[in-house]
Amino acid sequence: EVHLLESGGGLVQPGGSLRLSCAASGFTFSRYAMSWVRQAPGKGLEWVSAISGGGGSTYYADSVKGRFTISRDNSKNTLYLQMNSLTAEDTALYYCAKGFNDYPFDYWGQGTLVTVSS
Amino acid sequence: QSALTQPASVSGSPGQSITISCTGTSSDVGAYNYVSWYQQHPGKAPKLMIYDVSNRPSGVSIRFSGSKSGNTASLTISGLQAEDEADYYCNSYTSSSTRVFGGGTKLTVL
Repeated sequence: EVHLLESGGGLVQPGGSLRLSCAASGFTFSRYAMSWVRQAPGKGLEWVSAISGGGGSTYYADSVKGRFTISRDNSKNTLYLQMNSLTAEDTALYYCAKGFNDYPFDYWGQGTLVTVSS
Repeated sequence: QSALTQPASVSGSPGQSITISCTGTSSDVGAYNYVSWYQQHPGKAPKLMIYDVSNRPSGVSIRFSGSKSGNTASLTISGLQAEDEADYYCNSYTSSSTRVFGGGTKLTVL
């Protein structure tokens, strides 16, 4: 059974940084691209970033480009999102999802909440 | 990358059929058959309902179907049931090597 478990969310001040993690199990992690998708309180879904199975290719939404860095450790079956220069607009529930380009988001974690506030 | 356009809300009575549209551009919906649909109940993670325009994952009811014409994709739910009441989001791969969601549609079962 596929399982995705996010962690690392919390309260951070504007301009601060946070690193999210997503522990994956139940599938061959290194074979699949992985994504981060966020949802601001009461708002819709927004794709944030993705990384290829081997980690050699990364992709970002314009809203986070230059501030966020996605990475993965296939030996640990773990996906990461390093978030820098955070603003209030980054406040959201961040989901880890399996899939990206030619593969849909077929499995999702339960999300980790990031709150940017002073 | 602009969000795909969905109606904010749709409604229907039990047993009826409804269709949710998702309009993009020739750079996303119109360019690829990588359109998917997600159902989200309050407080829950999204669930994949349709992928590659019209394919249903294992376990998803046959009442859910998808299609595409030009730059517009559609999700149809037939035989509406109370449990179908949720938010629905479309998603497409884009020519910029990104993924874009629609703004979401709230389905109310009357």
